Amino acid sequence: NAGVTQTPKFQVLKTGQSMTLQCAQDMNHNSMYWYRQDPGMGLRLIYYSASEGTTDKGEVPNGYNVSRLNKREFSLRLESAAPSQTSVYFCASSSTSGILQTQYFGPGTRLLVL
Amino acid sequence: GNSVTQMEGPVTLSEEAFLTINCTYTATGYPSLFWYVQYPGEGLQLLLKATKADDKGSNKGFEATYRKETTSFHLEKGSVQVSDSAVYFCALSDRSNTGKLIFGQGTTLQVKP
Repeated sequence: NAGVTQTPKFQVLKTGQSMTLQCAQDMNHNSMYWYRQDPGMGLRLIYYSASEGTTDKGEVPNGYNVSRLNKREFSLRLESAAPSQTSVYFCASSSTSGILQTQYFGPGTRLLVL
Repeated sequence: GNSVTQMEGPVTLSEEAFLTINCTYTATGYPSLFWYVQYPGEGLQLLLKATKADDKGSNKGFEATYRKETTSFHLEKGSVQVSDSAVYFCALSDRSNTGKLIFGQGTTLQVKP
């Protein structure tokens, strides 16, 4: 049981390049999330997918797109990277049944945009 | 809208000292409340949670009580260890079907031997 996995662990991009961050979970969770973590700002929600086939914007969606490929996988795409997107990106998943709503996090992807 | 405010860090303590990290929230209705911990170089892990007023969440010697009257969920530990050095995040969930969490900014704890 690997939990939530993310690839790559670290990436350097030049301004204007594109890339896709991959996330997968093996806990049969319905909901998946993408956050970015910046110093002094906690975690901010970029996009989420409450269930397979649905995606919605979070607090900071500009410059990003997502795809819920199936129940296991949720990818985040940067079409044209900007230095302001330098951050650590975390994927998370949760079961939305009842009031538990505990989110399980991946190890993160550290992205540097030059 | 919903929000979470944590005390500013970093917090530096000596081993075996008492820890309090303050967390207050603003929310409509009755949110669930969480503390997550992030060890260096890792993702976040759930530390404890509480789902209704006066509930006490506890784990690994840490405790937090859901105080509706003061809209607070302060994290406490009686005797910290060097291994507790990490970033601690308070968060709330509005119990919608989306399961979204709103996080505070995080508080860095450094414990010195």
